[in-house]
Amino acid sequence: SQQGEEDPQALSIQEGENATMNCSYKTSINNLQWYRQNSGRGLVHLILIRSNEREKHSGRLRVTLDTSKKSSSLLITASRAADTASYFCATAYDTGRRALTFGSGTRLQVQP
Amino acid sequence: SAVISQKPSRDICQRGTSLTIQCQVDSQVTMMFWYRQQPGQSLTLIATANQGSEATYESGFVIDKFPISRPNLTFSTLTVSNMSPEDSSIYLCSVGGIPGQGRRYEQYFGPGTRLTVT
Repeated sequence: SQQGEEDPQALSIQEGENATMNCSYKTSINNLQWYRQNSGRGLVHLILIRSNEREKHSGRLRVTLDTSKKSSSLLITASRAADTASYFCATAYDTGRRALTFGSGTRLQVQP
Repeated sequence: SAVISQKPSRDICQRGTSLTIQCQVDSQVTMMFWYRQQPGQSLTLIATANQGSEATYESGFVIDKFPISRPNLTFSTLTVSNMSPEDSSIYLCSVGGIPGQGRRYEQYFGPGTRLTVT
């Protein structure tokens, strides 16, 4: 079963605007990851944040993690049309098991 | 990162038949996984493919329906048996446990196999 939910389910913004997606999960985790999927194809790993980290940056991406609320957010700054994709959060349990549990995903549309 | 290929990329199959999907990695990896993504949905883990032993299946997935092989550290197959229209999905393999700082938990995905069952 899915670990958690993401919101919004869909997001449409203009190029240059920022996009924020949120993810909630249910159980204790080792880390949380964000992936991007273009047009139903394979997923691309974006960023990983460990349970003892609160914020992480990678280029135009900023991820936060609040373990007390069991939630994370992904911020994409200065969005581009090429950022149009589905974004999924995924959690790795705090048991050493490496398989991931995916959230429900956010479909982002960036209008040129 | 690892380069992963899947074959076939897509197929249309008739009800009651079986399809075997192949996943090839360009380097030896410790962990391989198979996921299913139903239309418009997120990914659900089917099983962890174990080299030299039986796969570890998630709740709701059984070996008779989704037999998996992993003969070595670079290759795995997933068979979707006795297919029905409900099996229409994208099937993705992924690899994990890539050596490198901070990369043990990252997974790399193949391009997926889009299966349509009529």
